[in-house]
Amino acid sequence: GEDVEQSLFLSVREGDSSVINCTYTDSSSTYLYWYKQEPGAGLQLLTYIFSNMDMKQDQRLTVLLNKKDKHLSLRIADTQTGDSAIYFCAENSASKIIFGSGTRLSIRP
Amino acid sequence: DAMVIQNPRYQVTQFGKPVTLSCSQTLNHNVMYWYQQKSSQAPKLLFHYYDKDFNNEADTPDNFQSRRPNTSFCFLDIRSPGLGDAAMYLCATSREMGQGEGYTFGSGTRLTVV
Repeated sequence: GEDVEQSLFLSVREGDSSVINCTYTDSSSTYLYWYKQEPGAGLQLLTYIFSNMDMKQDQRLTVLLNKKDKHLSLRIADTQTGDSAIYFCAENSASKIIFGSGTRLSIRP
Repeated sequence: DAMVIQNPRYQVTQFGKPVTLSCSQTLNHNVMYWYQQKSSQAPKLLFHYYDKDFNNEADTPDNFQSRRPNTSFCFLDIRSPGLGDAAMYLCATSREMGQGEGYTFGSGTRLTVV
């Protein structure tokens, strides 16, 4: 079945790296995504990775994909207060995007 | 700027009173989606239009309907809102389905049922 799972909360100190983890179940997913949602706003696409890749880097963001374990992670380097948000992992399954429940990232001074 | 716009941002409706949420896009995308997002839950796909072709998810209640009169606009109609329908409703678009660029989302409409 289609199910994307991620932990609900993560707290990190400002300037440290944040790592948000996700597991998905559809091994045929061709694309996997990370979306960011700030309070009261819609979802903003941060980055995506094609299933034949195992890593993608974009400035402070690094996505790692372990297809064998169906595990996806998002690393945010040098986490800033502006990174406070909910981060959604998502997979492209049967041509539709299926979302996880989101990880709320909070930043400590 | 090309974008997806949802109106209103906040909507209060009475229990059982029909309500319509609207979404417009300037991206000229073929596909428009409606998601329901409840607090601390994953956005849940209700239905989507590929051009004029309507596709309902199997578990979307009959209480929810949608209209797409043209490429730019898509409406979500809730015929008889219940307390359990209070949620954020997100509209999204994509050029095609199954492509890597993902969806472009509007800012959402938060629906309160009183």
